[in-house]
Amino acid sequence: DQQVKQNSPSLSVQEGRISILNCDYTNSMFDYFLWYKKYPAEGPTFLISISSIKDKNEDGRFTVFLNKSAKHLSLHIVPSQPGDSAVYFCAATLYSGAGSYQLTFGKGTKLSVIP
Amino acid sequence: DSGVTQTPKHLITATGQRVTLRCSPRSGDLSVYWYQQSLDQGLQFLIQYYNGEERAKGNILERFSAQQFPDLHSELNLSSLELGDSALYFCASSVSKGSHTEAFFGQGTRLTVV
Repeated sequence: DQQVKQNSPSLSVQEGRISILNCDYTNSMFDYFLWYKKYPAEGPTFLISISSIKDKNEDGRFTVFLNKSAKHLSLHIVPSQPGDSAVYFCAATLYSGAGSYQLTFGKGTKLSVIP
Repeated sequence: DSGVTQTPKHLITATGQRVTLRCSPRSGDLSVYWYQQSLDQGLQFLIQYYNGEERAKGNILERFSAQQFPDLHSELNLSSLELGDSALYFCASSVSKGSHTEAFFGQGTRLTVV
């Protein structure tokens, strides 16, 4: 059962325009949401996160929006740059007992920014 | 460089064999996570260790096992390998057990079972 879903396997955007990557989740117990970026032949790298008690978090060109009632979050990249071309994973944390948290990932969206 | 080291980078082995993947976490990180990424799949959580103790289990097969040693490095053991076990295996580490603590990933071990 996929608790974190990224329904768009790929997305193409022109350089300078906005990229919007979407993520849906099913478990209302998730308490933190994170976005990771992954280049080929590298491990994922942390990009930005948001607490479940907030609805927006911004870091430079990257903004994450959370809509808890819809169980939906999105990552906005403005303006998009060719170097942003990568696979983006949405992830969520869930308390797994004994003070530990489990990180659950979506399947990823491949973003291509066209110069 | 994330500071997380995984060895080997590539591994080719035959069905039925057993392999060990190794992970050295970032200095000071107590949590180690193992993930599997198969074709067309996202990162599937396998198991988490914190300071030597198992903390959480995900979709880890009984043929797979892991441990974290006193020096905090971790090993993932895969036995009775099947073709379907071919995947990228990632290790990640984080400094604490906290929910918002970002995890740092290694470059992964690509396992090919032939």
